[in-house]
Amino acid sequence: IQMTQSPSSLSASVGDRVTITCRASQSISTYLNWYQQKPGRAPKLLIYAASNLQSGVPSRFSGSGSGTDFTLTIGGLQPEDFATYYCQQSYSGLGVTFGPGTKVDIK
Amino acid sequence: EGQLLESGGDLVQPGGSLRLSCAASGFTFSSYAMAWVRQTPGKGLEWVAGIWSSGVKTDYADSVKGRFTVSRDNSKNTLYLQMDSLRVEDTAIYYCAKDKWSFALDIWGQGTMVTVSS
Repeated sequence: IQMTQSPSSLSASVGDRVTITCRASQSISTYLNWYQQKPGRAPKLLIYAASNLQSGVPSRFSGSGSGTDFTLTIGGLQPEDFATYYCQQSYSGLGVTFGPGTKVDIK
Repeated sequence: EGQLLESGGDLVQPGGSLRLSCAASGFTFSSYAMAWVRQTPGKGLEWVAGIWSSGVKTDYADSVKGRFTVSRDNSKNTLYLQMDSLRVEDTAIYYCAKDKWSFALDIWGQGTMVTVSS
């Protein structure tokens, strides 16, 4: 299964609402996870099963979607949110793949 | 909150072998599937291999199938990745990670660097 993300990068300001889209090449139900990665650090799980917020992750992060189209929304960008975001599909029996990433930087 | 600590990364020649280890603590290791994910510096994330909690079932990326072997020792709380026939394109930071739900990975190690070069 191939994963695409759009945009590949974006510039935004603190307080902005940011939306990142992830698309799968075939239906993956809700087997879609989102990660945040900062330079020199390991990825951090934000959202699992398309819309479930990982424990300890701020509520300004939310996920939605099913089938082939998914969205990660950051409702009110904070300085610590500037990072690269990856989607990942883990649909049973079809392997695991990551999207190419979306870099969010400061406008 | 659990922790994972990788070791074993090194500089190796093409065609060589290397074994990575990942020591787990702070959670019941034997109850969870585990995974290896790699990242070429400055590039994206790539799934390498996964192993279910009992160790019986495994899954590999096509790029490493037949060359890499994932295993685990639940008595030692340790995950392994045996890498044979290494190629220049295997150069990357290798992370081990714990499964939360269907390979949604909620705990990651700090990574270990593998460089394949002559």
